[in-house]
This record gives sequence, C-alpha cells and structure tokens, in this order.
Amino acid sequence: NAGVTQTPKFQVLKTGQSMTLQCAQDMNHNSMYWYRQDPGMGLRLIYYSASEGTTDKGEVPNGYNVSRLNKREFSLRLESAAPSQTSVYFCASSPTSGGSTDTQYFGPGTRLTVL
Amino acid sequence: AQSVTQLGSHVSVSEGALVLLRCNYSSSVPPYLFWYVQYPNQGLQLLLKYTSAATLVKGINGFEAEFKKSETSFHLTKPTAHMSDAAEYFCAVRTNTGNQFYFGTGTSLTVIP
Repeated sequence: NAGVTQTPKFQVLKTGQSMTLQCAQDMNHNSMYWYRQDPGMGLRLIYYSASEGTTDKGEVPNGYNVSRLNKREFSLRLESAAPSQTSVYFCASSPTSGGSTDTQYFGPGTRLTVL
Repeated sequence: AQSVTQLGSHVSVSEGALVLLRCNYSSSVPPYLFWYVQYPNQGLQLLLKYTSAATLVKGINGFEAEFKKSETSFHLTKPTAHMSDAAEYFCAVRTNTGNQFYFGTGTSLTVIP
C-alpha cells in the first residue's frame, strides 16, 4: 500500500517551459488536492477535486491547470513556468464524504525550481 | 471563510522541556481541527485530530491538544521534548460541510540539547 505517490521528486525548468506533475493514490479516496508550500506561507491550495470528474479552484490557481484522470490520479500542469512558481508541491487525498473522520494524506512532494 | 493562526513561526525548547505550539482558528461553525508534522524533505504526517468526540485529543509521539471553544484555540503540547521532535508543525481546520482544509503558516520547532 503506497499511499500517495508523486513524480518527479525534483525538477528544474526554464522560464516558459511546461511540465506536468503526477499524483496517484491507492486508498480509494474520493478527494484529491494540490498545494504549494513556500517559506513563511504554509500550504496554499492550488486546486482540488472533490470527486472523480470534478475540479475546483483553490486559493492560488493562476498559472496552473489540473486533470482528474480517474479516481486514482490527479495531475497538475504548468503551461508556461515562471520563477514565481518555484516551490515545493504537495499532492494530498482524503476519503471525504464530509465525515468527521476525514483526514488528508500527503505525498512526499515535488521540489520545482524555475530559472 | 475559515482561517488558522499559528503564533510563533519559530519555537525553541530545551530537550526535556515542555513543548507548547499555539493555534487559533476562526470558524462560523464547529470545525474539525488537525495538527500535522513535517520532517525535513518529507510530506506532512497527521499527529492528531479533533472531531468533537473529546476536547482533549491524544496523538502520536506523546503529543496532545486541547480544543477550547471559548478561546477558539487548539494548542499542541508535549510534556517532554526530544531531539527527534525537531520539525515543522502545521495546524489545519476543516468545517463539517466543506471539502477544503485550511492550514496555518507553520511553526518550526527546534530542540536544544
């Protein structure tokens, strides 16, 4: 049982390049999330998917797109990378039926540097 | 809108001393509250969560937190700090009607030998 996996672990891009961050979970969770973590700012939600087939914007969606490919996979795409997108990106999932036991489970993160 | 405030971005304690990390939340409805820990170069791990069953919540690694509705607080404590507790700690909140989790900005805990 791998939990939440993310690829790649590290990436360096040049300004203007595009890339897709991959995330998969094997816990049969309904909801999946993408966050970015920057020093002194905690985790900020980029996009989330409450269930397969749906996606919604979070706090900082500009410059990103997402795809909920199926129940397991939720990808984050940077179409034209900018230095301001240098960050650590975390994917998370939760069972979310709105129940009290819901907890988020996090992947190990992707460290992205945009030059 | 929900928000979480963690007082003190950096906290230092001596090994063996009490750990107290502060978290206050704003919520118009009773929330679910969480503490996560992040070790260097790793993802976040759940320490404990409050889901209204009991106001004093015990978590892993000897940590506990107390929900105080009157103070809108959910402070994290541990009686005796260990070197292995050095990490970043995040408080988070989720309402019982939403899918989103809201995180504080984190508190970096340093344990001094």
